[in-house]
Amino acid sequence: DGGITQSPKYLFRKEGQNVTLSCEQNLNHDAMYWYRQDPGQGLRLIYYSQIVNDFQKGDIAEGYSVSREKKESFPLTVTSAQKNPTAFYLCASSIASGGGNSPLHFGNGTRLTVT
Amino acid sequence: EDKVVQSPLSLVVHEGDTVTLNCSYEVTNFRSLLWYKQEKKAPTFLFMLTSSGIEKKSGRLSSILDKKELFSILNITATQTGDSAIYLCAPGTYKYIFGTGTRLKVLA
Repeated sequence: DGGITQSPKYLFRKEGQNVTLSCEQNLNHDAMYWYRQDPGQGLRLIYYSQIVNDFQKGDIAEGYSVSREKKESFPLTVTSAQKNPTAFYLCASSIASGGGNSPLHFGNGTRLTVT
Repeated sequence: EDKVVQSPLSLVVHEGDTVTLNCSYEVTNFRSLLWYKQEKKAPTFLFMLTSSGIEKKSGRLSSILDKKELFSILNITATQTGDSAIYLCAPGTYKYIFGTGTRLKVLA
C-alpha cells in the first residue's frame, strides 16, 4: 500500500531539546511539505521540497530545519529556538515537482507536546 | 504576500440543511485550488479545481472556481452529522497555502 508514514504519532519533549519528526513516502512523489496546525487553526507551511537536496522556507520556518537527502524522506527537526513548538505537525507530498498541479497526500500527523 | 480567507469561520446547521462555504484568495502564479475535509487527523482530499466555471461534484458535495473574482465555493446539500468537520481550501502556486478553515457542525 502506498502512502505517507509519519512517526511517532505522539511525542513529548522537555523545553530546550531538539526533536526530529519522521516523514517517509513510498508514492514516488517529487514534492514534500511540512505543515503545522494549532488548535482551531488552518495549516501553516513550514518548509517544502520540490526535489532531492533542495528545499525552501515556508511562512513559519524560524526554529525549524529540514533535510531532503532521499526522495522518500523529509525529516523535520524542531529546534530549541522554536518558541512555541507544541502543535500538530502534518507531512504531505505531491506528484509534481512544479507544485500546484496535483493534490497533496497527507500523513496522519505527529502531535508534539513540549513542556 | 499570498492570502487565503475562508468564511464563515464556523457554522452550525441541522441535518438536511444546505451549506455554502467560501474561499477567497490572492496568490501569485495561481495554478489550482484544493478543498479538503479534516475530521480528526489527516485532511482528506475533496476536489481540485483548475478551470473557472466548471462545477465538480461528488455525491452531495460540489465546488466551483471563479478565477476572475478569485474565489471558490464548496456546497454541501442534505447535510448529515458525518459532514461535521473542518473544511480547508488551499490555492496552489508552486506550493499550497491553506486558509484557516470553516468549522462545520451538523446537528441531528
